[in-house]
Amino acid sequence: EAQVTQNPRYLITVTGKKLTVTCSQNMNHEYMSWYRQDPGLGLRQIYYSMNVEVTDKGDVPEGYKVSRKEKRNFPLILESPSPNQTSLYFCASSLGGGGAFFGQGTRLTVV
Amino acid sequence: AQTVTQSQPEMSVQEAETVTLSCTYDTSESNYYLFWYKQPPSRQMILVIRQEAYKQQNATENRFSVNFQKAAKSFSLKISDSQLGDTAMYFCAFNLISNFGNEKLTFGTGTRLTIIP
Repeated sequence: EAQVTQNPRYLITVTGKKLTVTCSQNMNHEYMSWYRQDPGLGLRQIYYSMNVEVTDKGDVPEGYKVSRKEKRNFPLILESPSPNQTSLYFCASSLGGGGAFFGQGTRLTVV
Repeated sequence: AQTVTQSQPEMSVQEAETVTLSCTYDTSESNYYLFWYKQPPSRQMILVIRQEAYKQQNATENRFSVNFQKAAKSFSLKISDSQLGDTAMYFCAFNLISNFGNEKLTFGTGTRLTIIP
């Protein structure tokens, strides 16, 4: 089954404690992205990747890092989380133009 | 920069009726894609329908259809014979393939649709 898998689904952490949200896709897609969803703002792109070792900033990259060492994986790293990063996060992958496939979402709370 | 506007934060309709969700966008580009995504209470983002800007024919997917007006930069979603399972947040999204290949989706703020039994 074609899917994008994110883990964990829910995460509560404390300010400053590094965390990683994993993302994996099994569709051999070149393009992958991370979005955050906040009430009244829709989804906004954090980072994207066009292929292995090729990543770049989206609209709201501050406080986040990513890496793309393998085509299927695209982890999101928060090295020093802050309360304003409390949000719903989505990983997405696509071939190009056909619309993105989204993961199940990760609800992150930073206290 | 591209923007997407959904001017209806909430809507409700009786089951089996037809409902239309509005979306407008702003871009100076001519080649792009438009999408409607559905987000039910499970939070999963589900692609409902897709429209290529170069196609004049409106896309349809079963009970879902769009009215794409390129000159007016309008992209509305019509849901016919609405069902309880259609209750969800609906997002309009724009995809411009830039020269750098960023598959970036620009989203509207969403319309919360409730189907009333």
